[in-house]
Amino acid sequence: EAGVVQSPRYKIIEKKQPVAFWCNPISGHNTLYWYLQNLGQGPELLIRYENEEAVDDSQLPKDRFSAERLKGVDSTLKIQPAELGDSAVYLCASSFGTSGRAGSNTGELFFGEGSRLTVL
Amino acid sequence: AQRVTQPEKLLSVFKGAPVELKCNYSYSGSPELFWYVQYSRQRLQLLLRHISRESIKGFTADLNKGETSFHLKKPFAQEEDSAMYYCALLHGSSNTGKLIFGQGTTLQVKP
Repeated sequence: EAGVVQSPRYKIIEKKQPVAFWCNPISGHNTLYWYLQNLGQGPELLIRYENEEAVDDSQLPKDRFSAERLKGVDSTLKIQPAELGDSAVYLCASSFGTSGRAGSNTGELFFGEGSRLTVL
Repeated sequence: AQRVTQPEKLLSVFKGAPVELKCNYSYSGSPELFWYVQYSRQRLQLLLRHISRESIKGFTADLNKGETSFHLKKPFAQEEDSAMYYCALLHGSSNTGKLIFGQGTTLQVKP
C-alpha cells in the first residue's frame, strides 16, 4: 500500500505567487488533516476533514489559504498569494474514524512525506 | 489551553546508554498521549500510545498525571533509535481527533 500520497514534494516560488498542494489519503480513511510544520517546530493543525466536511478549520488563515475535499477522498490546499513566512513543510495525514469512539484508532494518524515550500 | 512541551531540542547519548525524552503537557481533562517518531528520510509515524501501555522497539512511556508528564524511556539506546521524536496530546473534549504536537526532540545515538 502506498500510504498517504502528497505532491509536489518540493516547490519553490516567488512571493505573491499562488501554490497548491495535493493529498490522497489511505483508501477507506474518512478523516483527512493538513498540518503545517515550520522549521524546528512540531506540526500544527491547519484543517481537518470528516469526509467532505471541514470540521475544524480554526487555525487556517482564511485570507490566503483555502482547502477543499470535494468528493471526500483527495484534497487540495492552496495558498494565494504566498508570503515569505509561508515557507514550511505542509503535511497531510489521514485516519480511520475519530477519537472518542470505541474501537477507532484514536490518535493514530498516517502521514504523507510532506510538501516542502520555499517562498523567495 | 492544551499544550505539549518538550524541553530538549537535542539529546545525545552513546550506544547502550539509557535514554529519557521528556514531555510535559497542559490539559484540564483526561489526557490521551502519544509518541510519534520520524526517522531520517521517512515520514512521521506513531511509535506508541499511553492507552496501550505497550513497549515498542524497547521504548516505554508512563503517564504521570501528578507531574503532567509522559516521558519516553529506553534502557539501552541503539544507533537505529536516532530520529526526531514528537510527543502529542489528543484534544479529546469534542471527538475532534486533533493532535497537538510538542516541538520535538532530536535523539542522537553515538557509536
